[in-house]
Amino acid sequence: GAGVSQSPSNKVTEKGKDVELRCDPISGHTALYWYRQSLGQGLEFLIYFQGNSAPDKSGLPSDRFSAERTGGSVSTLTIQRTQQEDSAVYLCASSLAPGKGYTFGSGTRLTVV
Amino acid sequence: AQTVTQSQPEMSVQEAETVTLSCTYDTSESDYYLFWYKQPPSRQMILVIRQEAYKQQNATENRFSVNFQKAAKSFSLKISDSQLGDAAMYFCAYRSGWEGGGADGLTFGKGTHLIIQP
Repeated sequence: GAGVSQSPSNKVTEKGKDVELRCDPISGHTALYWYRQSLGQGLEFLIYFQGNSAPDKSGLPSDRFSAERTGGSVSTLTIQRTQQEDSAVYLCASSLAPGKGYTFGSGTRLTVV
Repeated sequence: AQTVTQSQPEMSVQEAETVTLSCTYDTSESDYYLFWYKQPPSRQMILVIRQEAYKQQNATENRFSVNFQKAAKSFSLKISDSQLGDAAMYFCAYRSGWEGGGADGLTFGKGTHLIIQP
């Protein structure tokens, strides 16, 4: 597609429920990143996929967070047993090459009540 | 680990005037990339300008230019002839030039909220 697409745009969930956030990167972009942006903060790196290689999960805050990327394209970020501190905007970005800049989606605003 | 510091949480400028947003970073690497991103209320991060550390010439994109001081580890953004549409959060970001550095993606500052006064 023309840009990075994320869905849903907004998600309200009850504490303890699981949620899935989706990212559809730009076609041909081999690198895909997930970031978390908490209120008034910068962006926190979560996870990185490069092609079909094993992802770098070093930024995931806890084992309740996981992500997968199917066929080197669409990615899903899953948060299990959501907590109120998980409330944030989750941004996805893709890149053709490391120094070329990243194209971001519009994010998913997650609210845990 | 690299760090990026934006010391101005908020800046305000009159429409049509010039404003400079500051950014400093800390790294031991010699090869890296620096970026400025704009985030309007729509939440989408939009690339404003990028600079390769090995290039001495400051990057310029229309009304946006940077003052890259490698020795001082400073990377400020100048916006000339400010327009109402420039109002947004601006984030400075760093990325290692090392191929394996892709694992960490971009390191962001906490952002500067730019207000444009009509």
